[in-house]
Amino acid sequence: GAGVSQSPSNKVTEKGKDVELRCDPISGHTALYWYRQSLGQGLEFLIYFQGNSAPDKSGLPSDRFSAERTGGSVSTLTIQRTQQEDSAVYLCASGEWPEAFFGQGTRLTVV
Amino acid sequence: KNQVEQSPQSLIILEGKNCTLQCNYTVSPFSNLRWYKQDTGRGPVSLTIMTFSENTKSNGRYTATLDADTKQSSLHITASQLSDSASYICVVTRGGGSQGNLIFGKGTKLSVKP
Repeated sequence: GAGVSQSPSNKVTEKGKDVELRCDPISGHTALYWYRQSLGQGLEFLIYFQGNSAPDKSGLPSDRFSAERTGGSVSTLTIQRTQQEDSAVYLCASGEWPEAFFGQGTRLTVV
Repeated sequence: KNQVEQSPQSLIILEGKNCTLQCNYTVSPFSNLRWYKQDTGRGPVSLTIMTFSENTKSNGRYTATLDADTKQSSLHITASQLSDSASYICVVTRGGGSQGNLIFGKGTKLSVKP
């Protein structure tokens, strides 16, 4: 596709359920980032994939959060046992030096 | 500590006026600095990217400056339009020669009024 695609665009889930968020990066981009943005807040770094290197997971807020990137392309962010404080917009970005392009995000609401 | 500070937090201007947004950073090692525009409910869109050797770059009515010595950047918007209403985010890349780690400022929320 022409840009970074994220799905779903909106997700409402019950507290305690698991959710999976998907990111389709721009074809050929080796770098992929996940961020989250809470209402009225700045972007919070979650995880960074660069090629075949081990991902930088330093931003994941708890062990309920995990992400994988299969075949160096599509990435899935998984949140287990969701909590209300997980409600946010989750943004994915992909890039090649020096650009980083963002998707439109997935708005997650935990009720 | 690697940080990016933006000011003001929010700004209201009249259509047609100019404005300048500020970004100070303490990121090291510095790789590049970008300004993004984020419309409400949308993902950020890149406006400019500047490396260490560049001190000004324009994109239409947007002009970014970079002073690598003082670790300051500004984004100047000329002849503002209603569509400029958005959050403007300063992002500094840490590390050399690769994507490294992006350090985000919290953004300046700009409102352009008719």
